[in-house]
Amino acid sequence: EVQLVQSGAEVKKPGESLKISCKASGYSFSSYWIGWVRQKPGKGLEWMAIMFPRDSDTKYNPSFQGQVTISVDKSISTAYLQLSSLQASDTAIYYCARADTVQLLYPDAFDIWGQGTMVTVSS
Amino acid sequence: EIVLTQSPGTLSLSPGERATLSCRASQSFSTSYLAWYQQKPGQAPRLLIYATSRRASGIPDRFSGSGSGTDFTLNIIRLEPEDFAVYYCQHYYKSPYTFGQGTRLEIK
Repeated sequence: EVQLVQSGAEVKKPGESLKISCKASGYSFSSYWIGWVRQKPGKGLEWMAIMFPRDSDTKYNPSFQGQVTISVDKSISTAYLQLSSLQASDTAIYYCARADTVQLLYPDAFDIWGQGTMVTVSS
Repeated sequence: EIVLTQSPGTLSLSPGERATLSCRASQSFSTSYLAWYQQKPGQAPRLLIYATSRRASGIPDRFSGSGSGTDFTLNIIRLEPEDFAVYYCQHYYKSPYTFGQGTRLEIK
């Protein structure tokens, strides 16, 4: 079964950093893009960043660039999202999602999603 | 950045009726790069439609997508109780691959 399993809920204080994980199974990890999507409480989906593990091609949403870092460890089929200098406004559910590749250059739609990781930032 | 604007914000219909959801883009792109997702409370989004009109695996044929250029539509015929949810469009034409703000489909 193809699935993405994310790390558990986190509670952090303002100014702290956090790295959440997304472990893939059931498919060739390096052959699909892996991306991250944020959803604030009661709000819509925000596309953050995406990486193609095979060659580490990475694309960031300028709205998030400098505040987040996407990385992968191909040896354990796991993607990571590092969030730095957390603020209360970063309180959200963070989803990882898989996308097929178009001509080995671009991501397709997100066809498999993780269950989400709730991040709460509070003093 | 391509901005996707969905309408209406909320759609109130009864089971058995037909739903038409709109997604308008701030610039034109190929039909190959537009997807629709369904999200139910407490769940991750689920891919319904990709490449404007192609149903994802396991999606019933009550769901159909159409459109071109800047105007795209998701149609759901014969609404079932499980179809009431929030629907998002997303483009993957060029980064950032933004989502629309969503349409809430609620039971009337």
